[in-house]
Amino acid sequence: DAKTTQPPSMDCAEGRAANLPCNHSTISGNEYVYWYRQIHSQGPQYIIHGLKNNETNEMASLIITEDRKSSTLILPHATLRDTAVYYCIVYGSSNTGKLIFGQGTTLQVK
Amino acid sequence: DAGITQSPRHKVTETGTPVTLRCHQTENHRYMYWYRQDPGHGLRLIHYSYGVKDTDKGEVSDGYSVSRSKTEDFLLTLESATSSQTSVYFCAISDVSGGHNEQFFGPGTRLTVL
Repeated sequence: DAKTTQPPSMDCAEGRAANLPCNHSTISGNEYVYWYRQIHSQGPQYIIHGLKNNETNEMASLIITEDRKSSTLILPHATLRDTAVYYCIVYGSSNTGKLIFGQGTTLQVK
Repeated sequence: DAGITQSPRHKVTETGTPVTLRCHQTENHRYMYWYRQDPGHGLRLIHYSYGVKDTDKGEVSDGYSVSRSKTEDFLLTLESATSSQTSVYFCAISDVSGGHNEQFFGPGTRLTVL
């Protein structure tokens, strides 16, 4: 399974963009990059996913590098409610339905 | 919100007693999962199910068993609870299709084993 590497913590000023990086240098061609977040004591929540093109939805944007070895989750205007642990996960059909959550990045919006 | 409930939401039990946690869904999703979350370990997969009566192990399955006799219910059993199984347990559901695996999580069950 492809592994991901994320910084353990980041800070962001309220109203500014939060850019959360993720390295996944061993990603396979058919594996997607998923992002989830977990607000304190709640279950994780799906944010966005992508294969190789940049993706945007109402919550965030996902930028994947051309070589697909890294990606960045962008929260365009962070609010205090975005304070959470953010998980970057690589998933493909060979994972047989299993998502493997790492330690994630704790984002503190101040 | 996806229709997922977990019961009980909180439980305190003693070492050596059996414990069963229930996850119930109203979404008719094929896949169901049990995770545990502990400080310093993040979220770890215990067992999952890919259909009625079809289950498989996750990362930390020792000491746990599961059953799924119908689509909407996924049970997690601790045959003989130990203090190391004190944790928060999350259930999740998903309709896995190819590379798509958006999981929806329940509210969690806080289990304390004394």
